[in-house]
Amino acid sequence: DIVMTQSPDSLAVSLGERATINCKSSQSVLHNSDSKNYLSWYQQKPGQPPKLLIYWASTRESGVPDRFSGSGSGTDFTLTINSLQTEDVAVYYCQQYYTIPFTFGPGTKVDVK
Amino acid sequence: EMQLVESGGGLVKPGGSLRLSCAASGFRFSDLWLTWVRQAPGKGPEWVGRIKSKNGGGTTDYATPVEGRFTISRDDSKSTLYLHMSSLKTDDTAVYYCTTDVPFTGGGAIRHWGQGTLVTVSS
Repeated sequence: DIVMTQSPDSLAVSLGERATINCKSSQSVLHNSDSKNYLSWYQQKPGQPPKLLIYWASTRESGVPDRFSGSGSGTDFTLTINSLQTEDVAVYYCQQYYTIPFTFGPGTKVDVK
Repeated sequence: EMQLVESGGGLVKPGGSLRLSCAASGFRFSDLWLTWVRQAPGKGPEWVGRIKSKNGGGTTDYATPVEGRFTISRDDSKSTLYLHMSSLKTDDTAVYYCTTDVPFTGGGAIRHWGQGTLVTVSS
């Protein structure tokens, strides 16, 4: 199985500042046939299911604010939240869908400083 | 409006069985690749398994911890997805979500989630 790791475990950022979350996969999730990274990012707030933010590593889901962006390739990926808002307080997960079983990272908790 | 509604969760003893259902609406159900994801209390999501559309082959795939114990099936005539769980263990305690994906991501990038149904395995 591909193991996903995330760093940091948690971070606190001032309102309006940038939050950066890192995700690493134990093997590449870049598919040679289509040059796509099979990597998605989710946001989860208490009592709610996860919400898709980003797929194909950098494609923003419809309706997601443009302060959320995804980058990276191969095994190393980043979710950036520019200008953090109070409604962004949540746990963020990365997930690979390159190979079965699709696996999630352990999550990064984002809070307001 | 696209909606997924799970049912069938509850308290079951270790070694017992349970069947979860997921009713879908607002989708062309037969075209969907459907996935079950679970989340244990205080933990991150865990992919359980998926079933492809019949046009996609209709086959199933499972995570190692549930292989041989869980079975995913679908009834396209009823727009309903099922998860048959047997030989349940305390580690299977979780909220179980029915989900569908962004098209052409192989069931991977999960766009739609149900509200979840809680399964508690305890003596």
